[in-house]
Amino acid sequence: SQTIHQWPATLVQPVGSPLSLECTVEGTSNPNLYWYRQAAGRGLQLLFYSVGIGQISSEVPQNLSASRPQDRQFILSSKKLLLSDSGFYLCAWSVGVGPYNEQFFGPGTRLTVL
Amino acid sequence: AQSVTQPDIHITVSEGASLELRCNYSYGATPYLFWYVQSPGQGLQLLLKYFSGDTLVQGIKGFEAEFKRSQSSFNLRKPSVHWSDAAEYFCAVGLPGTYKYIFGTGTRLKVLA
Repeated sequence: SQTIHQWPATLVQPVGSPLSLECTVEGTSNPNLYWYRQAAGRGLQLLFYSVGIGQISSEVPQNLSASRPQDRQFILSSKKLLLSDSGFYLCAWSVGVGPYNEQFFGPGTRLTVL
Repeated sequence: AQSVTQPDIHITVSEGASLELRCNYSYGATPYLFWYVQSPGQGLQLLLKYFSGDTLVQGIKGFEAEFKRSQSSFNLRKPSVHWSDAAEYFCAVGLPGTYKYIFGTGTRLKVLA
């Protein structure tokens, strides 16, 4: 069966520090991978998605970047965190062309920037 | 622009009462429609989805949703709510021809014993 992992589960970082959040998927090949940020009362904001190794689409200009070094690994990074980067970060995967398949979500990472 | 609106930020119902959560979307054609549920501090779980065909779709945990093209709506319903249904519910649309999904802002459900 398929499984999606995210770590760390929680993270407290000072402003200006770097960030690396990792997401890995097991049990499927060639998944579409997604990073979302969830802020209170604002729903899920799509940050990045990837349909293949090295292919990254950015949805929102921001202080973050994403990389996909392996088929089932998706990394969210920042060189210098801002206070506004605080939030709940969710990784998700789906398969197939077009969004008619459901997304499967990881457990999320709670990031607090102080 | 494409958008998903969930007009109710919070809803409180008594256990055993019926529930309807509203979702309206803005898109030029019929998108792919989803409802997800999120327990506190957790990821999202799919409740049900609609692509075509019968406009009333059944999901897990006793939920159903009805697609109404004329109203651009996809409301979620449950005839009798259980205390374990307390969670946040998200409506989402998948945009045909893309890999992208748009989520609503969510409705937080509180269930009174």
